[in-house]
Formats: sequence, structure tokens, C-alpha cells
Amino acid sequence: EPEVTQTPSHQVTQMGQEVILRCVPISNHLYFYWYRQILGQKVEFLVSFYNNEISEKSEIFDDQFSVERPDGSNFTLKIRSTKLEDSAMYFCASSGQAVQPQHFGDGTRLSIL
Amino acid sequence: KNQVEQSPQSLIILEGKNCTLQCNYTVSPFSNLRWYKQDTGRGPVSLTIMTFSENTKSNGRYTATLDADTKQSSLHITASQLSDSASYICVVSATGYALNFGKGTSLLVTP
Repeated sequence: EPEVTQTPSHQVTQMGQEVILRCVPISNHLYFYWYRQILGQKVEFLVSFYNNEISEKSEIFDDQFSVERPDGSNFTLKIRSTKLEDSAMYFCASSGQAVQPQHFGDGTRLSIL
Repeated sequence: KNQVEQSPQSLIILEGKNCTLQCNYTVSPFSNLRWYKQDTGRGPVSLTIMTFSENTKSNGRYTATLDADTKQSSLHITASQLSDSASYICVVSATGYALNFGKGTSLLVTP
């Protein structure tokens, strides 16, 4: 069964640095998402992406964050000037249509030192 | 504010037994309600998805119900197996894009 893959599985970065998290969604999916889960807390929506533009974003997704689909297969989340509170598990997801199951990757654990 | 509340917070059952997990939500407008299973260290996996007009949906031993009038949902697991040990998360969408996650019910199935 097709899977969403995320790299790296663990990223350690110094505070203030930029980090790019990478995702390869399921190939025939059209909708892409990023979520984060701070340790011990619930999963939180960051952003959805469709037709090469952001379709919805949460309050968390401020100017520090950006998303890009640089080619036909990758979907990236860039975090600029990382802060300690950005430490979390970041999940990428994709779906064929909006009201269809979202398929999640296994996440990138981001640790900001 | 959109809220999804789940109960119980945690549950321990014997292998082979049934259990029911509860979800109450205040998300408005309402597009759909989903149940996900999340194993430790893994991404969530979709179990069911229901829109406003659906009041029950099954996926193998998992059966979800939805009462859109009272804004309540339940997930019933039949004949539990050790591999059912995981966090079960109720997720509600207002727009169809963003998902509002509950904190989950942590289920432990023991031999």
C-alpha cells in the first residue's frame, strides 16, 4: 500500500537556525497537509496545500513557516529562526480529495537546542 | 472555539473483550468526523470517516457512530486484540481541510 514518507526521522538544530522538513506524499494525491504534535499533547493542524497554494492555515502557521512543492513529488515545510518551542513531532499527510482519509507519514522529530 | 473532548483518557481491557470510546465535539460548522489509531512513535492511521448524513460506519472490528444533533460520536471495538493497544483519536473537521484532534484515548489490551 502506498505510503507517505518523511525525512529525516529526527532533526536536531540550533535555536535561530532554519530547518526544512521533507515529505513525499502518495503519488496520486492532490491535497497535502502539515501537522505538529508537541510531546504529550494533541496533534495540531498547521497548513493545507492544494493546487500549488495554501488552502487553509492555522494561527500557529505564521511568517516563520512556509511550505513548498518544489517538484512533482516533494512537499516541504520550512521553519525560519527556530525557537525552543518549535520542538515537536511534525507530521505530513496527503489525501486524494478533501473529504477523504488523510494518510500520515511517521513524522520528523524536531529538536531545537 | 472548536473543541474535541474524548473519554475515557485511558482504558485497560482483557484480550477478546469489547470496548467503547466516546467523543464530544463543539466544532462548527461541521463537515466530517474521523477516528484515527495512533501507535506509539507512528503517524495516525485512519479508521473511519463520517459526514453529517451518516450515523454509523464500520471497518472490520471497529464501528463508529455519529449523532450530529447531540455532537457525539463513539468508537466500538469488538473482540479486542493485543495489537489494538494504541491511542484512538477523534478528529472533527469544519472545513474539510483542517482537522481538529482530540487528545485521544489510550487503550491497553492485556493477555
